[in-house]
Amino acid sequence: EVQLVESGGGLVQPGGSLRLSCAASGFTFSDYATNWVRQAPGKGLEWVSVISGSGGSTYFADSVKGRFSISRDNSKNTVYLQMNSLRAEDTAVYYCAKLASPLRLFDALDIWGQGTMVTVSS
Amino acid sequence: QSVLTQPPSVSGAPGQRVTISCTGSSSNIGGGYDVHWYQQLPGTAPKLLIYGNNNRPSGVPDRFSGSKSGTSASLAITGLQAEDEADYYCQSHDSNVSGYVLFGGGTKLTVL
Repeated sequence: EVQLVESGGGLVQPGGSLRLSCAASGFTFSDYATNWVRQAPGKGLEWVSVISGSGGSTYFADSVKGRFSISRDNSKNTVYLQMNSLRAEDTAVYYCAKLASPLRLFDALDIWGQGTMVTVSS
Repeated sequence: QSVLTQPPSVSGAPGQRVTISCTGSSSNIGGGYDVHWYQQLPGTAPKLLIYGNNNRPSGVPDRFSGSKSGTSASLAITGLQAEDEADYYCQSHDSNVSGYVLFGGGTKLTVL
């Protein structure tokens, strides 16, 4: 079964850091780009970042550029989102999502994890 | 405010047909980028509903269909059922947006 499982969320103070993980199973992980998408409480979906299957290409939304970084370890089938200088407006459920097509960077997102909650508050 | 504009809400009675629009511009939908649609049931992760403008993943009922014309796209749901009550999001790409990936603001579908 194709599956993504996020972890690492929690409560962090403004200005703090957190690293989210997205563990994948059931497919050839290194062939597919992985995205992070977040959803603030009661709000819509906001795309955050994408990393190519090889890890050689990354993109970020303007709202997180310079504060967040994305990486992957294909030997562990895991993608990471390092979040620094966190702000209250970063409070959201963070989902990782797999690209539908292999060897591409932009496409539909066909598999989503269950999400992990990040709360930035003092 | 999202670059892709969706109506905040739509509603319909069981058995009826509803449509949800997604309006963009020449740098995204009108620029030839595909539109994808997601369904998010309350308290759950989004689920891919339509990909590549008008294709259904395996397991998605044919009551759901997508279309695209010019700078807009639409999701149609026929034979509305109570279980269709959810939030729906369109997604595309934009040559003028950092990172190129964007979502519509979402539409809440209420089944009366």
